[in-house]
Formats: sequence, C-alpha cells, structure tokens
Amino acid sequence: QKEVEQDPGPLSVPEGAIVSLNCTYSNSAFQYFMWYRQYSRKGPELLMYTYSSGNKEDGRFTAQVDKSSKYISLFIRDSQPSDSATYLCAMSANTGTASKLTFGTGTRLQVTL
Amino acid sequence: EAQVTQNPRYLITVTGKKLTVTCSQNMNHEYMSWYRQDPGLGLRQIYYSMNVEVTDKGDVPEGYKVSRKEKRNFPLILESPSPNQTSLYFCASTPNRGGEQYFGPGTRLTVT
Repeated sequence: QKEVEQDPGPLSVPEGAIVSLNCTYSNSAFQYFMWYRQYSRKGPELLMYTYSSGNKEDGRFTAQVDKSSKYISLFIRDSQPSDSATYLCAMSANTGTASKLTFGTGTRLQVTL
Repeated sequence: EAQVTQNPRYLITVTGKKLTVTCSQNMNHEYMSWYRQDPGLGLRQIYYSMNVEVTDKGDVPEGYKVSRKEKRNFPLILESPSPNQTSLYFCASTPNRGGEQYFGPGTRLTVT
C-alpha cells in the first residue's frame, strides 16, 4: 500500500463548477501538507501549504486537512479552463532531517467551456 | 527572478554513457532535492542535500550520484545510465525543513 493515495482521474468538469480533489495517507507522522499544480511539460508549482489540521483559503482555492481521518482535500470554486492541470498532493513529517516530501500520483483535471 | 534552472531540458543518450544534469537556484535555499517522475508512480525523491557537502539518499538513489560543492548548485550524475532511468527529472529547492519546494522546469531523459 502506498503512503499517499490519490485518485488519478481524469476529472472533467464544466466551467464554473466546484472541484474537490482528495488524498488519503497512512503515515500519522505527516504534519506538513501541500498541493501542487502541474501544467503539461512544466514543473510542479506550489499552490497551497498547510501545517497540521484545519482549513486554509486563498482566493478560489481552499485546502482542508483532517489528520484524524488522514485525509486532505483541495476545493476549487468557480473553476476556469486555466485550472486544467494535474494536481499533486504532497506531505512531509517533522523528522528533524532535511525536507522529504511524499507525493500522491496526481489527479488530472480538465475544465471545459 | 527567483527560480530553479535545469540543463539540459531534453537529453537522449545511450546506455553506459556518463551524463550530468545541472541544477541551480538563486534563492539562497539551503535544501535541494532531485526527483524523478514516472507515469503511475508520481514524483519520487532520488537524493537531497541539507547544505554544502551534506547529502543523503532519497527513495530511489540507485544508479545516481550527486554533489553539493556550492550552495546554489546541485548536479545529478548518472555514471552509467540504463534504459530504466528514462524519466522526467526535477530539481527542487526549499528554504526550510518543513517542505514547500520550488521546482525547476524538468529534464526529460531518454536512455536507449
């Protein structure tokens, strides 16, 4: 079983829809949770960064972390065609050593007109 | 502009021919990492570095070497590339241990 599980999609939604992207994980030591967006032929870019449980909002994006359920989500409101990309969840533990991220395999999102 | 750069962006080579992929960051970050990205497997860490002359293995270090002689540079070396190292490689840097990483544009390597 992988440490981080993410539905690969593809997920196709109409413009303006609310999108929910999710990851589950098994390592209870994870404390830092991130969402990256990766456009085709580009490197991942950091979208959201949260520490421990709770919600974080940034414009149309909301990240949720539920450590008791080992479940994280990214919500995109009023989705736009420019949101079409692969979304990667990532997480790390406070191990005292250098940063080591464990990634999900990514969910491909397509927002159609 | 704050960025991570990688060269080359595309490389086709033959089995056994040594190659180096360079990585440089201009953000004065202490931590740098190399990842490979494969379909269905996602991003996996190859090596990381906490500072100059300090490196450690990630999840898939076999067949790779790294060095960190300067803070800004973190080259990835394949001494004897094999076809199973055909992949998309990303260099990343981060200012702190917590983990938000800034990625380079990627190097697509094909080993025949």
